[in-house]
Amino acid sequence: KNQVEQSPQSLIILEGKNCTLQCNYTVSPFSNLRWYKQDTGRGPVSLTIMTFSENTKSNGRYTATLDADTKQSSLHITASQLSDSASYICVVSRTSGTYKYIFGTGTRLKVLA
Amino acid sequence: EAGVAQSPRYKIIEKRQSVAFWCNPISGHATLYWYQQILGQGPKLLIQFQNNGVVDDSQLPKDRFSAERLKGVDSTLKIQPAKLEDSAVYLCASSPRGSADTGELFFGEGSRLTVL
Repeated sequence: KNQVEQSPQSLIILEGKNCTLQCNYTVSPFSNLRWYKQDTGRGPVSLTIMTFSENTKSNGRYTATLDADTKQSSLHITASQLSDSASYICVVSRTSGTYKYIFGTGTRLKVLA
Repeated sequence: EAGVAQSPRYKIIEKRQSVAFWCNPISGHATLYWYQQILGQGPKLLIQFQNNGVVDDSQLPKDRFSAERLKGVDSTLKIQPAKLEDSAVYLCASSPRGSADTGELFFGEGSRLTVL
C-alpha cells in the first residue's frame, strides 16, 4: 500500500533552535519527494524537491535529505524563526498508477519566542 | 505571475444546504486538482482534470459532489446536499505538466467550509 508517514505529529521549539522532521514512505514506483510548508489558513507551498539520485538539498535554512534505500527523508530547519511556525507536509510522487501524489498528514511546528 | 485563485475563502452553511467553490488556476496550467483537507490531515484528492477532461474522480462522492472545468480553465466544485463531515478546507491546485507527470503542485489559499 502506498503510504507516507510523518513524525512527529507536532513539535514545539524555542526560537533559534534547530529541529528535524521525518518522513517515511512506502510508495512505488518512486518519482520524487517534495516538502511543502503550509501556513495556517493558507495553501501549501513547495520548499524542496528530491529525486532518486539526490541525497541532500538546501533552501536557505531548510535542508532536506533523502535515503532512497531505506525510503526515508528528513527536513532539517536551522536557527528557527517565528515565521517557521506552520505544518510541513511530505509528498511522494509516483511515476505511474493512480494517485500520483501521496500526501503525509504533516508535522505541525510551533516556534516560541 | 498570478497564483491560483479560489473563492470564497470562508463559507458557513447548514447541513443539507448547497455550496459552490470556484478556482482559477495559473494561466497555462493544464492540470487542475481539487483536494479536501480535514483538520489535522493531509490533503485528499477529490478530482483531477487535464484541460477540460476528468482524469480521476474515483474518490469524489458523486452522490453529493460534482465538479466541472469550463473550457479547460476555471473550475467549480459543488456540494449538494452538504453533510456535517464535509466541513474541511477545499484546496485547488494546478500544475503546468500533464497528468502523467509529477511536477510541482501550485495551491490556492483554500476555501474553508463549515457545515452546521
